[in-house]
Amino acid sequence: DQQVKQNSPSLSVQEGRISILNCDYTNSMFDYFLWYKKYPAEGPTFLISISSIKDKNEDGRFTVFLNKSAKHLSLHIVPSQPGDSAVYFCAALRKSNYKLTFGKGTLLTVNP
Amino acid sequence: EAGVTQFPSHSVIEKGQTVTLRCDPISGHDNLYWYRRVMGKEIKFLLHFVKESKQDESGMPNNRFLAERTGGTYSTLKVQPAELEDSGVYFCASSRSPGLAGHEQFFGPGTRLTVL
Repeated sequence: DQQVKQNSPSLSVQEGRISILNCDYTNSMFDYFLWYKKYPAEGPTFLISISSIKDKNEDGRFTVFLNKSAKHLSLHIVPSQPGDSAVYFCAALRKSNYKLTFGKGTLLTVNP
Repeated sequence: EAGVTQFPSHSVIEKGQTVTLRCDPISGHDNLYWYRRVMGKEIKFLLHFVKESKQDESGMPNNRFLAERTGGTYSTLKVQPAELEDSGVYFCASSRSPGLAGHEQFFGPGTRLTVL
């Protein structure tokens, strides 16, 4: 039973436009949600996180929005750059155990 | 600050053999995690160390897998004997503190294990 779902395996956008990556979850007990970026042959790199008590967190070009009633979060990248092309993983954790539960990832391609 | 390092980067072994993977966390990080990604699937949690103690090993697939973290520094993950379904990429991660203030986990590059 997958508790964190990324239903879009891939997304393609033009350079300079907005990229929106989506994530749904089923477990309302998660305390934190995180986004990781992964390049081929590398480990996931932490990007941004949001507490379950917040609805928005912003860091430069990256903003994460959380809609708890819909059990949905999204990562916005504005403006998108070719270097943003990577697989993006949504992950969640509970403070009771701190183990990350990952989605399957979304491959973002930013075209010049 | 050096990141999480893992060795080897790639290992190819035959079914029935033994393999040991090593992870060196970021200096000062008490929390160390092992994860695995089987091809086409999501990254899945294996276990969590706090210093040298196993905090949570609920994700370990079976007793062919043994993780250790002697002295609370580096960790090893041994697979003995390896089976075909053990193939995948094994990631190690570390975090600064068990509290939410240090919840971000930093990942190593992974060890790609291929069992033939």
